[in-house]
Amino acid sequence: SQKIEQNSEALNIQEGKTATLTCNYTNYSPAYLQWYRQDPGRGPVFLLLIRENEKEKRKERLKVTFDTTLKQSLFHITASQPADSATYLCALENNAGNMLTFGGGTRLMVKP
Amino acid sequence: KAGVTQTPRYLIKTRGQQVTLSCSPISGHRSVSWYQQTPGQGLQFLFEYFSETQRNKGNFPGRFSGRQFSNSRSEMNVSTLELGDSALYLCASSLGGLGSNQPQHFGDGTRLSIL
Repeated sequence: SQKIEQNSEALNIQEGKTATLTCNYTNYSPAYLQWYRQDPGRGPVFLLLIRENEKEKRKERLKVTFDTTLKQSLFHITASQPADSATYLCALENNAGNMLTFGGGTRLMVKP
Repeated sequence: KAGVTQTPRYLIKTRGQQVTLSCSPISGHRSVSWYQQTPGQGLQFLFEYFSETQRNKGNFPGRFSGRQFSNSRSEMNVSTLELGDSALYLCASSLGGLGSNQPQHFGDGTRLSIL
């Protein structure tokens, strides 16, 4: 069956360090992968989309990699700040392209 | 540009009742998708509407239904409410919808509590 896995344990890091979050998937052949940020009581906010033919994508302090051989995406936040504390979700469309499925999310806590 | 607006923000109902939730997408977006979010199951896709037609559907029972109007505004209805329907219901809009390689823009949801 199709699965998207993110580390369900919270990731605690010190301000200024780089946070790295992982998204692993099985039985998908995604054309692209998306990352979202969600704050408590709010809807997810789109951050980055990376296509299958792109190895890496950057936006300000954010970087996403996409390895279709390993079936994994890594999401990096450099020079992290307490304001980066949130839950980060990855999302994939199923192979038929008619459903968007989200991973369970990883909660990031950046301590000052 | 105004974002996605969902009303109401909070709702309390009792078992057996029905409920209607509303979503106004970003202007120009023709696709509206609905999701249910719970602590146990995470974010789950309910259905997508595009140009007033249900285009895609997730694995939810027929008690969950929706519709989209000519101005792209959408409503979701849940009938015969059950305790397990307590959740945050999120609406998202996009230009081309699923399969178009475009991101989803979410509202802040309606928190539905069933007593």
